Amino acid sequence: AQSVTQLDSQVPVFEEAPVELRCNYSSSVSVYLFWYVQYPNQGLQLLLKYLSGSTLVESINGFEAEFNKSQTSFHLRKPSVHISDTAEYFCAVSGLTGRRALTFGSGTRLQVQP
Amino acid sequence: EAGVTQSPTHLIKTRGQQATLRCSPISGHTSVYWYQQALGLGLQFLLWYDEGEERNRGNFPPRFSGRQFPNYSSELNVNALELEDSALYLCASRVRSQETQYFGPGTRLLVL
Repeated sequence: AQSVTQLDSQVPVFEEAPVELRCNYSSSVSVYLFWYVQYPNQGLQLLLKYLSGSTLVESINGFEAEFNKSQTSFHLRKPSVHISDTAEYFCAVSGLTGRRALTFGSGTRLQVQP
Repeated sequence: EAGVTQSPTHLIKTRGQQATLRCSPISGHTSVYWYQQALGLGLQFLLWYDEGEERNRGNFPPRFSGRQFPNYSSELNVNALELEDSALYLCASRVRSQETQYFGPGTRLLVL
């Protein structure tokens, strides 16, 4: 079984400040790791993913996440946020084989204030 | 390339009725997943279809069912609707050999 914990339900931050959204997971097998973003009244958009290789992965809009196997974490960071980053962020894991259904965390609402 | 599409965008039903939700995957994607995003319960895996067959289901009662058509589109049926079924239902598709799921915009179901 797999589980994902997002420690912060809400993160308020001022524009241009750095932010870190925390994600820890538990699994008895190796997993793929994902961050998805959900804007109001929309579906989920893939932000970035870790499959293998370099533990630091980056998105095209400035977000990055680092896979830490020993701490079973996959925290999301951005050095300088914009108002447009206001959204809900979901961390998710899936198995490497089999059904590969995503197990999601409870989400973190990022609120960027001017 | 068109993304995952879902219809309808909104659906209002009353208790005891049946709801049918539809999903068209990205071209070339043969796997379709359904998830429920209910208030207070988060995102939960419902069903997985691949190559026309149900491959796995999450912890939901049998009144949640569906099918996948030869063109890989999919339908989710919810029978005997209950108030707690009110949620956003998300469909995602994946290429069988790859790991990433791509989501549609969802269908918001309201049960009165």
